[in-house]
Amino acid sequence: EVQLVESGGDLVRPGRSLRLSCTAFGFTFGEYSMAWVRQAPGKGLEWVGFVRHKTSGGTAEYAASVKGRFSISRDDSKSIAYLQMNSLKTEDTGVYYCTRDPDLFPWGQGTLVTVSS
Amino acid sequence: DIQMTQSPSTLSASVGDRVTITCRASQSVSSWLAWYQQKPGKAPKLLIRKASSLESGVPSRFSGSGSGTEFTLTISSLQSDDFATYYCQQYKTYWTFGQGTKVEIK
Repeated sequence: EVQLVESGGDLVRPGRSLRLSCTAFGFTFGEYSMAWVRQAPGKGLEWVGFVRHKTSGGTAEYAASVKGRFSISRDDSKSIAYLQMNSLKTEDTGVYYCTRDPDLFPWGQGTLVTVSS
Repeated sequence: DIQMTQSPSTLSASVGDRVTITCRASQSVSSWLAWYQQKPGKAPKLLIRKASSLESGVPSRFSGSGSGTEFTLTISSLQSDDFATYYCQQYKTYWTFGQGTKVEIK
């Protein structure tokens, strides 16, 4: 079964860092670009960024709201995509999802990040 | 950046109603438009991709149309399981989501 599982969410203080993981099952991870999307409590969906598959250079792109603070990477040998979040702000609080780009499917169950003092 | 605007923000309807949600893009996204359904506490569920291509397993009462900057999601006969929030998304240039349309019981 094609599946994505996010992990690493936690309660952190503003200004601190956190790394999320997105582990893939049931497909050849290295053939796909991977995206991260977040959702603040009671709000809509916001694209965070994506990392291209190695054939397309393995580079990443980011939303303006996180550029310079967040970075996305991948380890194809482990079938994991990472979201490194630095200098966290209270407005980064929310559920973080990963999915395949541009397939838009599947989506993981999400992992909750709470940034609060 | 491409902006996506959905209307209405909230829609009150009854079981059996025909429901239409509109999504407008600030510039052409061709047919690179998707629709999702999301229920509380759950991940978004992809309903339609490429503006009108229904995902496997999605009931045929859902349909999508449009191209360029104007798109619609139609539910031909609303069922109790369809009360949820719906989002459009462009994926022509990076990704942008609409603000969502909550379909609630009238």
